[in-house]
Formats: sequence, structure tokens, C-alpha cells
Amino acid sequence: DQQVKQNSPSLSVQEGRISILNCDYTNSMFDYFLWYKKYPAEGPTFLISISSIKDKNEDGRFTVFLNKSAKHLSLHIVPSQPGDSAVYFCAAICLQAGGTSYGKLTFGQGTILTVHP
Amino acid sequence: EAGVVQSPRYKIIEKKQPVAFWCNPISGHNTLYWYRQNLGQGPELLIRYENEEAVDDSQLPKDRFSAERLKGVDSTLKIQPAELGDSAVYLCASSSGTGDHQETQYFGPGTRLLVL
Repeated sequence: DQQVKQNSPSLSVQEGRISILNCDYTNSMFDYFLWYKKYPAEGPTFLISISSIKDKNEDGRFTVFLNKSAKHLSLHIVPSQPGDSAVYFCAAICLQAGGTSYGKLTFGQGTILTVHP
Repeated sequence: EAGVVQSPRYKIIEKKQPVAFWCNPISGHNTLYWYRQNLGQGPELLIRYENEEAVDDSQLPKDRFSAERLKGVDSTLKIQPAELGDSAVYLCASSSGTGDHQETQYFGPGTRLLVL
């Protein structure tokens, strides 16, 4: 039962272009979404988040879009840089008390992003 | 500010042996998490602590896994006995709040376990 899915195992992008990473979820109780970046031999690093009351959140080169009706979110990186090459994890959590999903961060499988110079 | 500290970084053991992992969260973070990450997958929660209380251990295989956070600061995760399928990266994370404010979790570098 994969409640958070990242269907693209990998993505390759040219430096300076836009990277778009996608994530789908099935649990309608999720109300907060996060993206983490992970380099080899390191733990995941928090990148950006969005609450379900918003449809967009921007932080520098990173923008996360949320489409609640489609249960879909995406991370846009523009312009992409070689240092952005990493594994990107989408994660979701229910912050409303009650239910089995409360307080539990659920991760997708990750997407390997490679940005070529 | 120091991040989440974990040790050891790598561990190789034979099956049926015991193993323990240690985590020190970010100072002041009340909530501590242990995750297991299998190859090609995202992290999966094993146990969550709020201070010294385990508030969610539903995913912890209790026949062989145990955890403690005696003083509400650092924590130990133990496997006894280890099985081949326990080979994975064990991640510790912490967050500053409880209840509604635990959404942003900060991860340590993980312990990579190989069971032979």
C-alpha cells in the first residue's frame, strides 16, 4: 500500500533548464507535504514544504505546486544546477489529530535527478 | 548548531548477532524518530518518541527490535538477533515540536547495516 508515489525513478536535465519532479498521493487525510534532497552517504535534507491550504510555495529556485483535487504535487527547480544532482523524496503527513496517519511522515520511493553541465 | 548525530556510520555483522545504533538529536528537539530505508525506497518509520515516550511504534518489529530514549534526549535502537533482511540504512531524525508542529524533521547521516 504505497500512499505516496514517485513514478519516475530518474530524471536527466541540462544545466540551466527546468527540472520537474512529480509526486502522487492516495491518502486524502494528508495535509502537509515536504520535499527532501539526499546526497550519497548522507541523510535526507529538508528542502521545501507546502500546506494543503496553499497551491504554491516558492523558495528561491525551488517551487512546489499542489493540486489537491488530483492528489498531485510537483517540485520545480529553475534554473537547474549540477549541484542539484541528488535523490529527491516527496513526503506527506497528516497534522490533524485522529486516524492512523496522524503524525506519520510517509515517503515516496525517490527520484534520482542528474543535472548535466 | 550541530545536526542529528548517529553512530556508527557503518556496521557489518553476521546473522543472528546483536547490533545497536545510537542517535543524538538536535538540541532542544523533543520528538525523535527512527526510520529504516531499504535500497531504492524511501525511509519508513519504525518508531517515534515524544520526549521519553514512544508514541508510535506500530511499525517496529517487536520480536527482534527494541528502542529506548531513557532521558528524553539520545536514543538507542537495537536488533537482536539480526537477520539478512535487516540490511538497510537506519536513519534517525528529530523535530522541534509536538502535536501539530512536528512537520519538519531533520535527519542524521544514517547507519548503513550489512548483515552477512
